[in-house]
Amino acid sequence: DQQVKQNSPSLSVQEGRISILNCDYTNSMFDYFLWYKKYPAEGPTFLISISSIKDKNEDGRFTVFLNKSAKHLSLHIVPSQPGDSAVYFCAASFPNTGNQFYFGTGTSLTVIP
Amino acid sequence: ETGVTQSPTHLIKTRGQQVTLRCSSQSGHNTVSWYQQALGQGPQFIFQYYREEENGRGNFPPRFSGLQFPNYSSELNVNALELDDSALYLCASSRDFSSTDTQYFGPGTRLTVL
Repeated sequence: DQQVKQNSPSLSVQEGRISILNCDYTNSMFDYFLWYKKYPAEGPTFLISISSIKDKNEDGRFTVFLNKSAKHLSLHIVPSQPGDSAVYFCAASFPNTGNQFYFGTGTSLTVIP
Repeated sequence: ETGVTQSPTHLIKTRGQQVTLRCSSQSGHNTVSWYQQALGQGPQFIFQYYREEENGRGNFPPRFSGLQFPNYSSELNVNALELDDSALYLCASSRDFSSTDTQYFGPGTRLTVL
């Protein structure tokens, strides 16, 4: 049973425009959320996180929004750059479970120059 | 470059065999987690070790076992391999076992079970 879902397997965006990647989850007890970026032949690398006590977190070009009532998470990348082309995973964890994260299936982002 | 390495890169085994996958964590990282990523899926948490003891496990059977050593290396062992065990196996290390500690992933070992 997939508790974290990314319903868009792929997304194409023009360079300089905004990329919006979406993630939905089913369990309201998740309290910490992450986005990872993965290039081919490499492991995922941490991008940005958000705690359930917040609804927004920014880090440079990357902003994560959390809508707890809708159980929805989104990652905004502005402006998008060709180097952002990668697979993006969202992940969620329950309280006091350490590194036991539940991952979505990923969205492949292509930024077109 | 995350400082986390895994070996081997690729491995082919036959059903029923046993396999050992290895991971070398960043120095000072006391936690290692293992994930299985099947084709087209996201990583699934197998278990995590903190200071050489297992302290969290996902929905995987006991034939998946692990070891963590004092020199920041670790192993994932899988017995009685099944076809569905074919996947990319990722290890990730972090300083502590809090969810807010950044995990650093290795590049993975691609296991094929025939």
